[in-house]
Amino acid sequence: AQSVTQLGSHVSVSEGALVLLRCNYSSSVPPYLFWYVQYPNQGLQLLLKYTSAATLVKGINGFEAEFKKSETSFHLTKPSAHMSDAAEYFCAVSDSGGSNYKLTFGKGTLLTVNP
Amino acid sequence: DADVTQTPRNRITKTGKRIMLECSQTKGHDRMYWYRQDPGLGLRLIYYSFDVKDINKGEISDGYSVSRQAQAKFSLSLESAIPNQTALYFCATSEGTRGFFGPGTRLTVL
Repeated sequence: AQSVTQLGSHVSVSEGALVLLRCNYSSSVPPYLFWYVQYPNQGLQLLLKYTSAATLVKGINGFEAEFKKSETSFHLTKPSAHMSDAAEYFCAVSDSGGSNYKLTFGKGTLLTVNP
Repeated sequence: DADVTQTPRNRITKTGKRIMLECSQTKGHDRMYWYRQDPGLGLRLIYYSFDVKDINKGEISDGYSVSRQAQAKFSLSLESAIPNQTALYFCATSEGTRGFFGPGTRLTVL
């Protein structure tokens, strides 16, 4: 069985500060990992995904995440927060080896960016 | 035009009513999914279909049914809606590791 834990349901940062959103996963097989963002009253947008290639994955809008097998983590970072980054972020895991999109999502982290 | 469309986008209904949410895709993908999003719970898989003749229950299928009318269409039904089915519903398609979510249907059951 697969599972995802996002540490911190709400993270608040100042504009220009580092963004760090934490995600730990559990999977019985090598996982595929995803980060999605949801802006207020909008749908889901894929930020980045790890599919067993490079462990450091770069995504859109300046975000990146590093897959650490020993820590079972896939934390999302951005060096400098922008007001437009305020949104809810979801980490998700798949243990299907890329054969399907049966994802298990974390409960989400709401990011607030203060001026 | 959007690749994955959902209708309706918003719906308010009453307890006990039957309601159908529809999903259509133009991507030609065999694999389709229905997810439900609740505040503080993330998204959870309701049903999925790997082709027209293959329907599978997900994590939270109780109270829901689905129909895969064609490769392009995957409908979710609530036979007798109840208030705790109030949620945001997403349809998705996939090909390999590429997934595509629809815009969502916001359902309110009074």
